[in-house]
This record gives sequence, structure tokens and C-alpha cells, in this order.
Amino acid sequence: EPEVTQTPSHQVTQMGQEVILRCVPISNHLYFYWYRQILGQKVEFLVSFYNNEISEKSEIFDDQFSVERPDGSNFTLKIRSTKLEDSAMYFCASSRSGDTQYFGPGTRLTVL
Amino acid sequence: GENVEQHPSTLSVQEGDSAVIKCTYSDSASNYFPWYKQELGKRPQLIIDIRSNVGEKKDQRIAVTLNKTAKHFSLHITETQPEDSAVYFCAASRGGTSYGKLTFGQGTILTVHP
Repeated sequence: EPEVTQTPSHQVTQMGQEVILRCVPISNHLYFYWYRQILGQKVEFLVSFYNNEISEKSEIFDDQFSVERPDGSNFTLKIRSTKLEDSAMYFCASSRSGDTQYFGPGTRLTVL
Repeated sequence: GENVEQHPSTLSVQEGDSAVIKCTYSDSASNYFPWYKQELGKRPQLIIDIRSNVGEKKDQRIAVTLNKTAKHFSLHITETQPEDSAVYFCAASRGGTSYGKLTFGQGTILTVHP
């Protein structure tokens, strides 16, 4: 059964540095998402991406964040200048039809 | 925007008992309601979902009910087993009309004691 994959599993960075989190969605899916989960809290929506453009973004997804689908398989989340409060688990998800979403294993981002 | 409230925050049951987790939502346009199970350090895993044109859905020991009028939906797990222990999240979305943004509840830590 195909699954969403993410790399790296854990990223440690210094405050102010740029990070890129990578995701490979399920191959025939058309809708892509990023969510984050601060330790012990609920999952929060960041951004959705469809037809090569952002379809919706949350208040969290400010100018420091960007997403890209550089080729036919990868979907990336970039944080330009990381802050301590960006420390969280970041989940990528994909959907074929825009409702049922399958999540990747996550990238734990630690900002020091 | 949508707001999803989930109760209880923790639930402890004996093996073989039933467990019920309840969620309410605020956006009457929401039409898709999935439930995810998350084990420690793992990805949220979809266990069951329901769409607004259906009042109840069952899959073996798991069932979900939806009351659109009251804007609440519930997860029912029967004959619980220790491996059901995890955090359960409900979510709501407008489905394909809004590209599927999921709004999650706060989660319920379910512990099943052998």
C-alpha cells in the first residue's frame, strides 16, 4: 500500500537558519498539505496546495514559510529564518480528492 | 473559521469495555469528519471517516455517528484491546470544496488496561 514519505525524520537547526522539509506524496494524489504538531498538542493546519498553487493557508503560515512542488514527486516546506517557536513535528499529507488525507511519518524540527 | 471541540481529554477503560469519544463542530458547511489514531511518535493514521450524507458508519469494532443538526459526531470502540491505547483525534473539513483543510480537535488519550 503506497504511503506518504518524509525526510529527514529529525532536523536540528540554529535559530535564524533556513530549513527545507521534504515530502513525497502518494503518486496519484492531487492535493497536498502541511500540518504541524507542537509536542502534546493538536495537529494544526498550515497550508494546502493544489494545481501548483497554494489554495489555502493558516495564520501560522506567514512570510517565513513557503511551499514548492519542484518536480512531479516532491513537495517541500521551507522556513526561511527559523524561530524557537517553530520547533514542532511537521506532517505532510496528501489526498486524491480533497477529503480523505493520508499523513506522512513527520519531521521533528528542533530549533536551538 | 471552523472550531472543533473534543471530549474527554483522557479516557481509561478496562479491556473489553466500550469507549466513546465525542466531538462538536461549529461550521455548518463542514461535510467530512475523519478520525485519526496516533501512537506515540507516529503519524496520525486514519481509522474511519464519515460524510454528512450518512448518519452512521461501522467498521468491525469501530463506529462513528454524526448528528448534523446538533453538529456533533462520536467515535465508538467496542471490545477494546490494549493495542487500542493511543491518542485519538477527530477532525472536520468542507471536503473538496475547500481543498480539504482539516481542523482537528484537541485529542483524547485512550488507555485500555489489560
